[in-house]
Order: sequence, then structure tokens, then C-alpha cells
Amino acid sequence: QQQVKQSPQSLIVQKGGISIINCAYENTAFDYFPWYQQFPGKGPALLIAIRPDVSEKKEGRFTISFNKSAKQFSLHIMDSQPGDSATYFCAASIGETSGSRLTFGEGTQLTVNP
Amino acid sequence: NAGVMQNPRHLVRRRGQEARLRCSPMKGHSHVYWYRQLPEEGLKFMVYLQKENIIDESGMPKERFSAEFPKEGPSILRIQQVVRGDSAAYFCASSPIDGGGNTIYFGEGSWLTVV
Repeated sequence: QQQVKQSPQSLIVQKGGISIINCAYENTAFDYFPWYQQFPGKGPALLIAIRPDVSEKKEGRFTISFNKSAKQFSLHIMDSQPGDSATYFCAASIGETSGSRLTFGEGTQLTVNP
Repeated sequence: NAGVMQNPRHLVRRRGQEARLRCSPMKGHSHVYWYRQLPEEGLKFMVYLQKENIIDESGMPKERFSAEFPKEGPSILRIQQVVRGDSAAYFCASSPIDGGGNTIYFGEGSWLTVV
């Protein structure tokens, strides 16, 4: 019940295309859903996050869509660029304050071809 | 403003040896978290510490693993009698005492290889 399932495992997109990564969760107590971006040899960095009281959040080219009834959320990267090539992790936690334990998805390796 | 500092970045140990991984949180941060990333997998929570206190160690293996965050100095994740299955990237994160999710910062990780 603590798992977060992420798909696809890998994704190849052409420059300018839309990248879509999906996640599903079981634990209805989760109420904070961040996405992290990780480059090779680096630690994960927070990209964008959403709480379940909204269905969508947009920051620049990155948008999170959230479907509370389906217990699913997704990351959309518009106008994908080669610099977006990285591994993306969705995560979930109960609460978003310090001390909240993050449960991560398995990761999606995104490659954006020039 | 230095970020979360982890060392060593890469560590090779023979089976049965001990591994010690260090983490210095960001300035002003009093919460430290350790996560483990096995090859081709996501990060798994291990332990959450505040100064001199272990708050949540529900993700720590029952044996051979221990963590501390002393009053002075870095947080240390200690793995005794390492086995090949311990080979992974170990990430430390830190946050301030009253921060939100957007104030959790990860270090660049320590890659442990057990040969």
C-alpha cells in the first residue's frame, strides 16, 4: 500500500515533443506529490509538486495533472529539449513538512533526441 | 551557500568490511534523511534523524546498518560486514526544522561498490 508505481521505465522523445510520465498510488493518506529530476551522477532535485486539492499545476514547460479518484498523477513536459534528458522520479508523502518520508516511483529515463 | 555534502562520493569495499558514509546538511538544516538507490530502482527511505535523535528508522535493514547524527559533526551511515547486495547509491537529504517539501535538498550521493 506504500508503493508508487511509475511508467514508462524509459521514454524517447523528439525535440519539441511532449513527454508524459505516469504514476499511480494506493495509499489514500498520501497528500503531497512531488516530481524529482536526476542527472547522471547527481542527486535528485525537486522539479514541481502538487497537493490533491488541485487537478493541475503548471510551472513553465512542466505540468502535473492529478486525478484523485483514480489515484493517478502525471508529469507533462511540453516542448521537450535535449537538456531535459534525465531520470524522472515521482514521489508521494503524507504531509509535506520536514520529516515527511518520501515514497518514490521506480523512475523514468527520458531521452530527448535533437 | 554549500549544498548537502556527502563523502566519499565513491567507495569500494570488500565483502565483510565496514563502510562509513558521511553527510553534512545544508547550513541551517537540522533534519537529515538517508535514502538508498539500488541499480535501476527508485530511492528507498532508510532513516530520518535530527540532532542526536533517530526519529524514524523504519526503512533501515534490521542488521548491519546504523545511523547517527551527533550534536557536532556530520551524520554517518554505517554498514558493517558489507555484502554484494549493499552495492548501491546512498543519498542524504536535509531540511530545516520548519520547512515544507520544497525545502528538502538531496546531496550528490555516495556510490558504494562491494567486491
